[in-house]
Amino acid sequence: KQEVTQIPAALSVPEGENLVLNCSFTDSAIYNLQWFRQDPGKGLTSLLLIQSSQREQTSGRLNASLDKSSGRSTLYIAASQPGDSATYLCAVWGSNYQLIWGAGTKLIIKP
Amino acid sequence: DGGITQSPKYLFRKEGQNVTLSCEQNLNHDAMYWYRQDPGQGLRLIYYSQIVNDFQKGDIAEGYSVSREKKESFPLTVTSAQKNPTAFYLCASSDEPNTEAFFGQGTRLTVV
Repeated sequence: KQEVTQIPAALSVPEGENLVLNCSFTDSAIYNLQWFRQDPGKGLTSLLLIQSSQREQTSGRLNASLDKSSGRSTLYIAASQPGDSATYLCAVWGSNYQLIWGAGTKLIIKP
Repeated sequence: DGGITQSPKYLFRKEGQNVTLSCEQNLNHDAMYWYRQDPGQGLRLIYYSQIVNDFQKGDIAEGYSVSREKKESFPLTVTSAQKNPTAFYLCASSDEPNTEAFFGQGTRLTVV
């Protein structure tokens, strides 16, 4: 059974720092991997989708990588800003057409 | 603007009542999903639909029901059989399974 783990559970850094959020999954037979952002009390915003044949995707200050063989993905945030404060969720699409979710990393960027 | 609209944003239910949460999308997506989110837990799939007039149970379907009569609409009914319905409910859609999923802003349901 696919399991997704996100480390760390929480992270607090000063503004301006570059940071990395980690996501690992137990079964390398995934279709795609998606990173989301969730603000308190709000829905989820899709940040990046990495297809299983891709190694990375970039959007602005965000870069996500995927290594299927090792079961890992990272989300790199450059030059962090207070507005980046949110919970970041990683999810993988499995063979049963369902998203399998990590528990998220709560990120706080201190001004 | 294209997107997913969930309504209402807040919903209060009395014990023993059924309530229906609305989810509408104008993205022309075939697949739609309902998730439940509880504090400190990951999202859990309630039901999903890959096409009109067809839907499948997710991991926690007991006490819930859905319909998919139109491509753009996927309402969720929380029945009185659901013992602990207080949660944040999220609706999502994707062009097809395994492609990028997009979410609505959620409905917070509270039992009073």
